[in-house]
Amino acid sequence: DIQLTQSPSFLSASVGDRVTITCRASQGISRYLAWYQQKPGKAPKLLIYAASTLQDGVPSRFSGTGSGTEFTLTISSLQSEDFATYYCQQLDSYPYTFGPGTKVEIK
Amino acid sequence: EVQLVQSGGGLVPPGGSLRLSCEASGFVVDDLYMSWVRQAPGRGLEWVSVIYSGGSTFYADSVRGRFTISRDNSKNTVFLQMNSLRPDDTAVYFCARRYPGEGYDFWGQGVLVAVSS
Repeated sequence: DIQLTQSPSFLSASVGDRVTITCRASQGISRYLAWYQQKPGKAPKLLIYAASTLQDGVPSRFSGTGSGTEFTLTISSLQSEDFATYYCQQLDSYPYTFGPGTKVEIK
Repeated sequence: EVQLVQSGGGLVPPGGSLRLSCEASGFVVDDLYMSWVRQAPGRGLEWVSVIYSGGSTFYADSVRGRFTISRDNSKNTVFLQMNSLRPDDTAVYFCARRYPGEGYDFWGQGVLVAVSS
């Protein structure tokens, strides 16, 4: 199975900050990576797929880059509604594993 | 409007069975990849299973041989039959849809499955 790691696991930031989260895969997955945002008690929300394609309706302050084994999610200017947990997911081969998550909290 | 409405969660003793349902509206389940994803209390997301439009199925190692994903096209509904349940199957279970090459763009509301004596 492909393992995903995320760093950091926890992030404390202020409104307006630029935030970057990294996801690393245990083997190459081309660009078959998605990013999700999840708030407590809610289903995950798709932000980005194919490493860098913004899902319809997602604000342009979210962006994704990477290919192969290293990927990043960037929030260019953190807003209050962005405080949540973020997960990456590989869609290269089954099982479609998720990263362990990065919790973004208010500083 | 696309919606996925889930039902069937609950409390079940170890070794018991449960069937989850995920009724879709606004699209045809037979046209897309439909999956189940679960989240144990206070933990991260775990992909469980998928059923393709052609009927092929795949499972996580942790549930293979115990869980079965299926689809009833006449009801536009996807199911997850869970047998031989264990305490570590306790989680909120989500159904979700996916277009080939994309991420899971619509999710059900989630249902809690609790396995305990």
